[in-house]
Amino acid sequence: AQSVTQPDIHITVSEGASLELRCNYSYGATPYLFWYVQSPGQGLQLLLKYFSGDTLVQGIKGFEAEFKRSQSSFNLRKPSVHWSDAAEYFCAVVKLGGFKTIFGAGTRLFVKA
Amino acid sequence: DTEVTQTPKHLVMGMTNKKSLKCEQHMGHRAMYWYKQKAKKPPELMFVYSYEKLSINESVPSRFSPECPNSSLLNLHLHALQPEDSALYLCASSQETRGRGRSNYGYTFGSGTRLTVV
Repeated sequence: AQSVTQPDIHITVSEGASLELRCNYSYGATPYLFWYVQSPGQGLQLLLKYFSGDTLVQGIKGFEAEFKRSQSSFNLRKPSVHWSDAAEYFCAVVKLGGFKTIFGAGTRLFVKA
Repeated sequence: DTEVTQTPKHLVMGMTNKKSLKCEQHMGHRAMYWYKQKAKKPPELMFVYSYEKLSINESVPSRFSPECPNSSLLNLHLHALQPEDSALYLCASSQETRGRGRSNYGYTFGSGTRLTVV
């Protein structure tokens, strides 16, 4: 079955520290890959996406993600976290030729001073 | 305009009421979506419209009735809801390509309608 796994329910990092959020997917072929962020009470915002080509993709707000085919992973990174990055982060996939976006369960990021 | 606008932002309704949620986008996106999100959960797909036609209904109860009057507007009509239907309802839109196969290239979400059924 197609699935997206975010193994960390929540992560706490200190402001200024680096961040990595993990995402693994299970698909027959490489799907389109996305990361979204959701602040409390808000809709989701697209951070970045991978379709093909360069496996390191840059997104908004200083985020980047690396696609690793051999590990079926698409981990999100940021070199220095700001307090405003505290939010819920969702990894998501879309099967090529499909409409449906499959979301992971989400990782809640807490940032401490 | 790069936004999806949802109204109202908050809605409280009784189980016998009829209400509608509205969604509007002017980005030229031809795919529009309704999602339901419960607290601390990812969004769950309800409906997909492609070129103003209902493309996907994820076995949603008939008390939820979607409508796409034109390429910019998406409505969700609510009738006889249950308290367990209380949630954040999110509208989204995306570009869509035909021909080689449909797909979406990432959603633009609205900020949602917080619905409480009493």
